Amino acid sequence: ETGVTQSPTHLIKTRGQQVTLRCSSQSGHNTVSWYQQALGQGPQFIFQYYREEENGRGNFPPRFSGLQFPNYSSELNVNALELDDSALYLCASSTFGGSTDTQYFGPGTRLTVL
Amino acid sequence: QKEVEQDPGPLSVPEGAIVSLNCTYSNSAFQYFMWYRQYSRKGPELLMYTYSSGNKEDGRFTAQVDKSSKYISLFIRDSQPSDSATYLCAMRVNQAGTALIFGKGTTLSVSS
Repeated sequence: ETGVTQSPTHLIKTRGQQVTLRCSSQSGHNTVSWYQQALGQGPQFIFQYYREEENGRGNFPPRFSGLQFPNYSSELNVNALELDDSALYLCASSTFGGSTDTQYFGPGTRLTVL
Repeated sequence: QKEVEQDPGPLSVPEGAIVSLNCTYSNSAFQYFMWYRQYSRKGPELLMYTYSSGNKEDGRFTAQVDKSSKYISLFIRDSQPSDSATYLCAMRVNQAGTALIFGKGTTLSVSS
């Protein structure tokens, strides 16, 4: 069974730029959720994708957007980067409506905005 | 008041100690309760998963949920230096596909 993978591991951008982060779901999972974890904080929910559509969104502005592909992999796009976007971005996969609907996390992408 | 409160610590204990980690919450609709372990600069790893109230044991780990008090706990017996990490509590309502709500995490250090 393949776990959740994310790429890149880390990257550095400057304010105003755009970034795309990628996630591959764990085998057998059909749902992807994205979280932002600032230093010293717990993860904060950004949004979730199921059947290639957004299935819920946290308190994040529209410049945070995403995609889910037919193979259940996913992208997180952030436009007009701000300094406060510096964080660990986590992807979690799960099975929508499954017996536990438990979310399993990838290793994260550490984004630094200068 | 935040939905989930967790003392960030840090908590330092000697090897072999019993560790108690706790979270309180305000949303009575939470039904699923989880504990994740996160090593430095890594993603959270699921440790324990509990539905509604009660206890669940897995090896050295025991999770307790008291819904009447809106209080959950994780106990670690015979703590090891490899247990040194940040422990995050997380919970969600009884609706498929909803977000996990996390505490800030408690940093634990176990010294040999």
